[in-house]
Amino acid sequence: GNSVTQMEGPVTLSEEAFLTINCTYTATGYPSLFWYVQYPGEGLQLLLKATKADDKGSNKGFEATYRKETTSFHLEKGSVQVSDSAVYFCALSASSNTGKLIFGQGTTLQVKP
Amino acid sequence: EPEVTQTPSHQVTQMGQEVILHCVPISNHLYFYWYRQILGQKVEFLVSFYNNEISEKSEIFDDQFSVERPDGSNFTLKIRSTKLEDSAMYFCASSIQDRGGYEQYFGPGTRLTVT
Repeated sequence: GNSVTQMEGPVTLSEEAFLTINCTYTATGYPSLFWYVQYPGEGLQLLLKATKADDKGSNKGFEATYRKETTSFHLEKGSVQVSDSAVYFCALSASSNTGKLIFGQGTTLQVKP
Repeated sequence: EPEVTQTPSHQVTQMGQEVILHCVPISNHLYFYWYRQILGQKVEFLVSFYNNEISEKSEIFDDQFSVERPDGSNFTLKIRSTKLEDSAMYFCASSIQDRGGYEQYFGPGTRLTVT
């Protein structure tokens, strides 16, 4: 079945450090891929998405490229800020279903000043 | 900006009691979802709903669960007889479309504690 695997956290970085959160997926067909972010006390917000192979999603300095050959969608940011501290979820929506999202386990990012 | 709202933010109930979790999706959205997240675990899909029908449900969504859109604006999740293992954060989401990478907008969640 379809699944998403994220690197385990927590990830602790100093401000302005480079961030990578790894995400790989298993899916039939051509899923859409997403990164959602959850700030403390809030719901999940879409951070970025990609709907086909080699697409790059980007938002707020974050980027992720849909790599079909490695079934990956790693999240990167060149210089993190304290305000980026949150939980990050990788997710997929398979091409043949009702839009349900399948999530990875989430990675907590803590950025220290 | 339109947002999905959920009430209550925290619900405490005794095992065996019925609970109803409330959600108000974004007004022009047509697809509605419930997810849950047990503490420390991943967010899990429960059910999707479109055109007043369940379009897909997970194995978790057994006969104890039901969903309803009673009045065209609210979307509710009912658990008939709660168990300890139902303790989790429940998220409602809505979307204007179900395919093609359309964004699902999530509410802030209801934390359900079953004692």
